[in-house]
Amino acid sequence: DAKTTQPPSMDCAEGRAANLPCNHSTISGNEYVYWYRQIHSQGPQYIIHGLKNNETNEMASLIITEDRKSSTLILPHATLRDTAVYYCIVRLYSGNTPLVFGKGTRLSVIA
Amino acid sequence: DTEVTQTPKHLVMGMTNKKSLKCEQHMGHRAMYWYKQKAKKPPELMFVYSYEKLSINESVPSRFSPECPNSSLLNLHLHALQPEDSALYLCASSQVLQREWAGNEQFFGPGTRLTVL
Repeated sequence: DAKTTQPPSMDCAEGRAANLPCNHSTISGNEYVYWYRQIHSQGPQYIIHGLKNNETNEMASLIITEDRKSSTLILPHATLRDTAVYYCIVRLYSGNTPLVFGKGTRLSVIA
Repeated sequence: DTEVTQTPKHLVMGMTNKKSLKCEQHMGHRAMYWYKQKAKKPPELMFVYSYEKLSINESVPSRFSPECPNSSLLNLHLHALQPEDSALYLCASSQVLQREWAGNEQFFGPGTRLTVL
């Protein structure tokens, strides 16, 4: 079973920041938080991952609370192409550990 | 090349047919995965291969038979499927041995959309 809880859907105006929350209250010390997204009819795409520090890459920022029980994915300037289902996944940092997908958040970016 | 390719894109088959799905990557990844995704549901793991050996089988029915003939190829052989097996079948690959923070993200292909009549 997925170890994360996400809101089923969110809307965001184009050009604004999209903040997607995720609860993972049972996360263990050696588990990382990963974010993937799936644009309609495509395979999932890796976005970012982190352990306890905040992380940023060219796609997004990941903010993890100090107790690590929740996190927020931030898309700083959402575009229509960011409309997708976003999955927050808690996972051991091991090269062939499979992903266990929860239901995700369907983000709709509106013009 | 950071691409995982899957063929065919679409497949329609009868319940008595035998068909195969193919997945290929040239990123040097030694872990490869099959996931199944029903409409409006998240992907679910089916199989994991590590160094061309089957390491995880999520109690998948024997009508699905995976094969990893070499480090770049992953096949899924289908036989006597049921209509409820209609789904998007996703292949993914990743590195196995990791340095800290090396990034072991999984790269997914576009999937094969399977319809069983």
